[in-house]
Amino acid sequence: EVQLLESGGGLVQPGGSLRLSCAASGFTFSSYAMNWVRQAPGRGLEWVSTISYTGGGTFYADSVKGRFTISRDTSRNTLYLQMNNLRAEDTAIYHCAKDQGHGIYFFDYWGQGTLVTVSS
Amino acid sequence: QPVVTQSPSASASLGASVKLTCTLSSGHSSYAIAWHQQQPEKGPRYLMKVNSDGSHSKGDGIPDRFSGSSSGAERYLTISSLQSEDEADYYCQTWGSGTRVFGGGTKLTVL
Repeated sequence: EVQLLESGGGLVQPGGSLRLSCAASGFTFSSYAMNWVRQAPGRGLEWVSTISYTGGGTFYADSVKGRFTISRDTSRNTLYLQMNNLRAEDTAIYHCAKDQGHGIYFFDYWGQGTLVTVSS
Repeated sequence: QPVVTQSPSASASLGASVKLTCTLSSGHSSYAIAWHQQQPEKGPRYLMKVNSDGSHSKGDGIPDRFSGSSSGAERYLTISSLQSEDEADYYCQTWGSGTRVFGGGTKLTVL
């Protein structure tokens, strides 16, 4: 059974940093691109970032480019999102999501999410 | 980059059928999309992928009541024999160069 479990969320002041983790199990982690998607309170889903299955390719939404860094540790089957210079508008539930396959850019499994609140 | 557009809301009666629409932007009518369901206070769940020819492939454990179809730049999600647990937000998703794209979501109310 595929499982994605996010952690690391919390309350942080504007300008602060936070690192999110997503522990993956039930599939060959090293074979799939992985993603972060967020949902601000009362809003829809917003794609944040993607990392290729090798880790060699990373992609970001314009809203987080230069502030967020996605990475993965295959030995730990874990996906990360390093978030720096956080703003109030980054407040959201952050979900990790697995790509369906090579060249299939749809999310076929999701985690429950971790809440990030940016506030003074 | 493609843009996908959804109606903000829809409603249908318990036991009836409903058809939700996702519209691809001009020049992107050949794109496949995915439908995701988000029940209240839960994480999203992948329902299916819908191709431009109307073929679709569902995720694990998705009931037969859920089906997909296409016409031109429109992609559809049809839910038959509506149940109370189908009341949720439904998002369509596609992709562009180095990006993933979501529609704004449709809030489905089961009356």
